[in-house]
Amino acid sequence: EADIYQTPRYLVIGTGKKITLECSQTMGHDKMYWYQQDPGMELHLIHYSYGVNSTEKGDLSSESTVSRIRTEHFPLTLESARPSHTSQYLCASSGNDRLGAQYFGPGTRLTVL
Amino acid sequence: AQSVTQPDIHITVSEGASLELRCNYSYGATPYLFWYVQSPGQGLQLLLKYFSGDTLVQGIKGFEAEFKRSQSSFNLRKPSVHWSDAAEYFCAVGARNRDDKIIFGKGTRLHILP
Repeated sequence: EADIYQTPRYLVIGTGKKITLECSQTMGHDKMYWYQQDPGMELHLIHYSYGVNSTEKGDLSSESTVSRIRTEHFPLTLESARPSHTSQYLCASSGNDRLGAQYFGPGTRLTVL
Repeated sequence: AQSVTQPDIHITVSEGASLELRCNYSYGATPYLFWYVQSPGQGLQLLLKYFSGDTLVQGIKGFEAEFKRSQSSFNLRKPSVHWSDAAEYFCAVGARNRDDKIIFGKGTRLHILP
């Protein structure tokens, strides 16, 4: 079944640690996105990708980085986590249909102590 | 640039009652429009989408939305809500360009009274 996966679902780490949030999709979508969402708040786009070897920064400035070496994989990395990075991170993808609907993973809730 | 306004932060309805969630958008041309639902601690699930054609769009879980160009609105409706509909609902607008970026509203939290 085509889907989009995120691991881990929950992560609690200490300040200064390097972390990577994984996102994979089996839908063959070219475009992928990372959003940051604080509890009860709207989504903010922090990174997106048109395809392999393409990455762009989103509307909200973020200290995280992303890579897109394979179509199905779009990991997000924080080199040195801080408490201000505590949030929920949502990954999404969209296909080549003209509607551009995005399909979301379940999210990773990150807490930095 | 496109924008989305959801005027109601919280809505409370009784189980079995009808529901309407409001959404207004701003965009220079005919946009793509979406409604998503998010249960606590989960990702977003696409309820329905509008591109063109029939202005009344049917979605999953018994939801529908009506596009009204004259009012720049895309309100979500359901004739009879169930307790499981309690969630956060996001309206979104997309531009017709290469990157398929979507702008989300701030969301409306739906509470259901038994």
